[in-house]
Amino acid sequence: GEDVEQSLFLSVREGDSSVINCTYTDSSSTYLYWYKQEPGAGLQLLTYIFSNMDMKQDQRLTVLLNKKDKHLSLRIADTQTGDSAIYFCAESHRNSGNTPLVFGKGTRLSVIA
Amino acid sequence: DAGITQSPRHKVTETGTPVTLRCHQTENHRYMYWYRQDPGHGLRLIHYSYGVKDTDKGEVSDGYSVSRSKTEDFLLTLESATSSQTSVYFCAISEGHNYGYTFGSGTRLTVV
Repeated sequence: GEDVEQSLFLSVREGDSSVINCTYTDSSSTYLYWYKQEPGAGLQLLTYIFSNMDMKQDQRLTVLLNKKDKHLSLRIADTQTGDSAIYFCAESHRNSGNTPLVFGKGTRLSVIA
Repeated sequence: DAGITQSPRHKVTETGTPVTLRCHQTENHRYMYWYRQDPGHGLRLIHYSYGVKDTDKGEVSDGYSVSRSKTEDFLLTLESATSSQTSVYFCAISEGHNYGYTFGSGTRLTVV
């Protein structure tokens, strides 16, 4: 089956690191994505990782993938107030044909100044 | 959201009336999607299209229909709006299911 789970809320202080976690159930997932949604806006692709990678770093963002535990995390270093948003994890299944992305319910990150 | 626009941005309608939301893209992407976003439910797929006249249902398709007569336009119709369809509706486009999606800015629909 396909299911993506995320905790709903996370609160951090400005300047600290944020870690947003995601678990998925389908071991055939090939790409895993992180999207960011700012208030009143649509989702924006933040970063993604291919399933044969363990880690991907892009400036303040670090994505870690543990395939054995089907666990994905997004770490934001030096979190700023502008990082306050909802973060969605999503998985895709290249090998299963025409199947749209499956999204988690989103984690609302609140950054306290 | 470059290359994708949704209209209208806001709409208030009465129960029982038909409503059509429009998604327009200028990217020539093959795939287009309609999602609804509700508190506690995240994003739920309503319908998607993988080409002109080619559409398929998502997990919450009841009460909705779609049409894609041109590559650039994907219409979502609520035949007879109900209060449970009050939501924010997002359109997305992609070159394929396994590629990153580009989302529109959303349509906030209120059914009274």
